[in-house]
Amino acid sequence: KQEVTQIPAALSVPEGENLVLNCSFTDSAIYNLQWFRQDPGKGLTSLLLIQSSQREQTSGRLNASLDKSSGRSTLYIAASQPGDSATYLCAVEVAGGTSYGKLTFGQGTILTVHP
Amino acid sequence: GAVVSQHPSRVICKSGTSVKIECRSLDFQATTMFWYRQFPKQSLMLMATSNEGSKATYEQGVEKDKFLINHASLTLSTLTVTSAHPEDSSFYICSARDWASGSFYEQYFGPGTRLTVT
Repeated sequence: KQEVTQIPAALSVPEGENLVLNCSFTDSAIYNLQWFRQDPGKGLTSLLLIQSSQREQTSGRLNASLDKSSGRSTLYIAASQPGDSATYLCAVEVAGGTSYGKLTFGQGTILTVHP
Repeated sequence: GAVVSQHPSRVICKSGTSVKIECRSLDFQATTMFWYRQFPKQSLMLMATSNEGSKATYEQGVEKDKFLINHASLTLSTLTVTSAHPEDSSFYICSARDWASGSFYEQYFGPGTRLTVT
């Protein structure tokens, strides 16, 4: 059974800092890994999706890497801003069989960026 | 990007009543939708996979008679919580994949429905 773990559970940083969020998964047989942002009481916004054949994806100040063999992904946020404050979730889609399309989520990292 | 909507955004109901939540893909067709549940300060747990024109597939431990799923069209899936109890209070989120788009693997999530059972 796939398990996804995110470290740290919470992170508080001053504005302008670069930061790294970590995600690990137990089963390396994945189709893809996706990073999401969730604001309090809201749904999920997709940030970056890395397919299993890729090693990284970039969007603006965000960069996500994937090391499938070691079961790890990192989300790098450059020059953090107060508006980045949210919960960040990573999720993996397991390859094969009846799991197609199903996402397994980590517990999330609660990020607070203070001015 | 593709848009998924949910209705209602919030609902409060009395214990023992049934509540229906709608999930719609607004600008694409979704043969498959997924229903997730999120408890406070916890992550999302997949409840079931909703398939257009066929029965839903439920995850282990999810009561199919309690959480009825109907995928009546390519743009609409509904989740009905039957005989709701306070422990069913949660945040319910649906997602769908736009198979026709270039972003083949990306899933789009609805804004969620907050259910409170009193």
